[in-house]
Amino acid sequence: NAGVTQTPKFRILKIGQSMTLQCTQDMNHNYMYWYRQDPGMGLKLIYYSVGAGITDKGEVPNGYNVSRSTTEDFPLRLELAAPSQTSVYFCASKPPPGQPDSYGYTFGSGTRLTVV
Amino acid sequence: GQSLEQPSEVTAVEGAIVQINCTYQTSGFYGLSWYQQHDGGAPTFLSYNALDGLEETGRFSSFLSRSDSYGYLLLQELQMKDSASYFCAVRSTGGGGGNKLTFGTGTQLKVEL
Repeated sequence: NAGVTQTPKFRILKIGQSMTLQCTQDMNHNYMYWYRQDPGMGLKLIYYSVGAGITDKGEVPNGYNVSRSTTEDFPLRLELAAPSQTSVYFCASKPPPGQPDSYGYTFGSGTRLTVV
Repeated sequence: GQSLEQPSEVTAVEGAIVQINCTYQTSGFYGLSWYQQHDGGAPTFLSYNALDGLEETGRFSSFLSRSDSYGYLLLQELQMKDSASYFCAVRSTGGGGGNKLTFGTGTQLKVEL
């Protein structure tokens, strides 16, 4: 049981490049989330999904896109990378309300992205 | 919108008890969670309070007062490995999911000998 797996762990992008951050979970969780964490700060919600085919914006969605074609995968796409997107990106998942352990999010180990 | 306030840094000695406070402002409040994050690591879930009162899990306890929009995390018998950042997070209604989690800026706990 791997939990939430994120790839890559580190990446350096040039301004204007694009990339996809991968996130996969094997816990059959319906709910998945993308957060970013800037140095010394809390986590800010970028996008979330309550199930395959359903996504919605969080607090800071500009410059990002997501898709959710399967329960397991929730990739985050950065188009036209900017220095302001330098951050650590965390993917998380949880069961839907009413199921055991439905209050705690399980986080991946993060992707450290630098845009230069 | 939502806002959370917690101290930026707390220092305590090994074996002591420390309390990390969190005040929040939000609409559609469901509950208050606490997460631990070691340097560079993934946040890990510690506790969740939906109702007023104290929840105990081993050395860690969490308290909530909904009327005061206030909660705290209590760590007992501090160990060096407890040195980490601790985040409070409000679970609230949001969009179609109803499970939006908004994080505070975190409290850096330093445990000293």
